[in-house]
Amino acid sequence: KNEVEQSPQNLTAQEGEFITINCSYSVGISALHWLQQHPGGGIVSLFMLSSGKKKHGRLIATINIQEKHSSLHITASHPRDSAVYICAVAETSGSRLTFGEGTQLTVNP
Amino acid sequence: KAGVTQTPRYLIKTRGQQVTLSCSPISGHRSVSWYQQTPGQGLQFLFEYFSETQRNKGNFPGRFSGRQFSNSRSEMNVSTLELGDSALYLCASSPTPRGGQGTQYFGPGTRLLVL
Repeated sequence: KNEVEQSPQNLTAQEGEFITINCSYSVGISALHWLQQHPGGGIVSLFMLSSGKKKHGRLIATINIQEKHSSLHITASHPRDSAVYICAVAETSGSRLTFGEGTQLTVNP
Repeated sequence: KAGVTQTPRYLIKTRGQQVTLSCSPISGHRSVSWYQQTPGQGLQFLFEYFSETQRNKGNFPGRFSGRQFSNSRSEMNVSTLELGDSALYLCASSPTPRGGQGTQYFGPGTRLLVL
């Protein structure tokens, strides 16, 4: 079992839909990251969370430390949101990141 | 501020050769981490450096090594290349001493192909 599990692996949505990507982890963490990777490889950090909820534009990230679970929500999705979304955790024992397998999101116009 | 830069962007090598990749972090960032991304294994942590000291090392063989210079620029070296080393190598810098506990700023990556 991977230390970081994401679901779903693939997600197709219509423009305007509300999207949720989930991340579960099995270790104690000091921080959880949500990353976005576009074709071509470039990775952008969307959020870093250690508790609660953060919002940036149409993106919202939440974390429940007790349940070891985080969600990334995209409101009013747009084709430009099409990308791979990756969850990563920094364990409390250190700062190295362990990554989930990613969620491939495709938003159709 | 300029972002994280990596050189070269693309590289083709043959088995048995060695390769050195370079990463220049955002000005003022002293933490640099390296990652390998392959279709089969996804993203995996290689090393983390802070102020010229290796803080963490991932589960990679000794053929993978790295270092950080006094100006925070970092290099990683892979000796005796194997076909399985073909991957996208990403570096990221962070303003915090513990890279994974701060926002990571990623470079564009170096795509290595081993023939």
